[in-house]
Amino acid sequence: DTAVSQTPKYLVTQMGNDKSIKCEQNLGHDTMYWYKQDSKKFLKIMFSYNNKELIINETVPNRFSPKSPDKAHLNLHINSLELGDSAVYFCASSHGRSGANVLTFGAGSRLTVL
Amino acid sequence: AQKVTQAQTEISVVEKEDVTLDCVYETRDTTYYLFWYKQPPSGELVFLIRRNSFDEQNEISGRYSWNFQKSTSSFNFTITASQVVDSAVYFCALIVGGATNKLIFGTGTLLAVQP
Repeated sequence: DTAVSQTPKYLVTQMGNDKSIKCEQNLGHDTMYWYKQDSKKFLKIMFSYNNKELIINETVPNRFSPKSPDKAHLNLHINSLELGDSAVYFCASSHGRSGANVLTFGAGSRLTVL
Repeated sequence: AQKVTQAQTEISVVEKEDVTLDCVYETRDTTYYLFWYKQPPSGELVFLIRRNSFDEQNEISGRYSWNFQKSTSSFNFTITASQVVDSAVYFCALIVGGATNKLIFGTGTLLAVQP
């Protein structure tokens, strides 16, 4: 059983389209995250939810909208896709929101915007 | 401000060599956590170790060892007798203690182990 699963793994789309990436964890964690890894492999946090409450919202364009229907799911919807959105998006989860907790990452979703 | 610096962009070694990956961090907080993650060519991020700021004891796990020195703000990672399967990008990361769990990553070091 995959602990943190993301779908789709690969996504190729045209500029201007809207797309979603789904994430589910079966670890019983209450905190989930989205990280973006750019073409230079730099990883940066985008959002974090704790028990469905948004607790971290970095300076991300409002074209990106996370949604957490329950604490096991965190989806990422992106409107009006731009070339610069091409990246690998990682979902992660942890037990609790303190710095002591280890994040478990999904396998990543590679988004390519043409 | 918090920051993690991995000055080594790429390292290439021959199998069985020892290799050390450097990590220097910056924070003014007294409570913080340091991590290493491995990203193999398959792309997933694999947790290797977590260390809190109050525990400077070095750690060894098989061929892996970590040296945490608060005096130099460093948390270096050594692989002994490297193997081809160690080829990956290795990330050092920092979380400052508090209400939120925001991992700050370094830029990563690409390790290539040649047979």
